[in-house]
Amino acid sequence: NAGVTQTPKFQVLKTGQSMTLQCAQDMNHNSMYWYRQDPGMGLRLIYYSASEGTTDKGEVPNGYNVSRLNKREFSLRLESAAPSQTSVYFCASNDGQSQYFGPGTRLTVT
Amino acid sequence: RKEVEQDPGPFNVPEGATVAFNCTYSNSASQSFFWYRQDCRKEPKLLMSVYSSGNEDGRFTAQLNRASQYISLLIRDSKLSDSATYLCVVNPSSGSARQLTFGSGTQLTVLP
Repeated sequence: NAGVTQTPKFQVLKTGQSMTLQCAQDMNHNSMYWYRQDPGMGLRLIYYSASEGTTDKGEVPNGYNVSRLNKREFSLRLESAAPSQTSVYFCASNDGQSQYFGPGTRLTVT
Repeated sequence: RKEVEQDPGPFNVPEGATVAFNCTYSNSASQSFFWYRQDCRKEPKLLMSVYSSGNEDGRFTAQLNRASQYISLLIRDSKLSDSATYLCVVNPSSGSARQLTFGSGTQLTVLP
C-alpha cells in the first residue's frame, strides 16, 4: 500500500514550458486534491476532484488544468509555466475523515 | 485577516519542556479542526483531530474554544523528534474536505 505517490520529485522549467505533474493513490478514495505550498502562505487549494469524472476549481486555479483520469489518478498540468508558479506541489486524497498527502513535487520556473 | 492564523515561531525549547501553540480562525461556522505535522521538506501528516471536549494522545493535548475561535496544541515532555512545523487546519463544513483551510504553520525546534 503505497498511499499517495507523485512524480516527479523535482523539476526545473523555463518560462513558457509546459509539464504535467502526476499523482496516484491506491487507497480507493473518491476525493483528490492539488495544493501548492509557498513560504508564509500555507497550503492553498488549486483544484480538487470529488469523484471520478468531476473536477472543480479551488482557491488559486489560474495557470493550471487538471485531469481525473480514473479513480486512482489525478494530474496537474501547467500549460505555460511562469516564475510565480515556483512552489512545492502536493497531491492529496481524502477518506472522508483525514487528508493524505503525497511526498510533493518541488518545481522551479526560471 | 487570514482565515486561519498561527504564530510562525520559531519556538526553540529544550528537551523535556512543555510547549503550547495557539491558532485562531475567522469562520465561526467552522465544523472540524485538526493539527497536522510537517517535517522539513516532507508532506504534512495528520497529528490529531480536535474535538470540542478536548482530546489527548500521549504527550499531545488539543483543545478547542469555539467562543473565542481558537485551537491549541500542548506538547509535554518534548522530544528531539518533535521538531517540525505544526499546521492548524480548519474545515467550515462537516463533510467535504474541499474547504480545508491551512494555517501557515508554527515551527518547533527541540534542542538537546
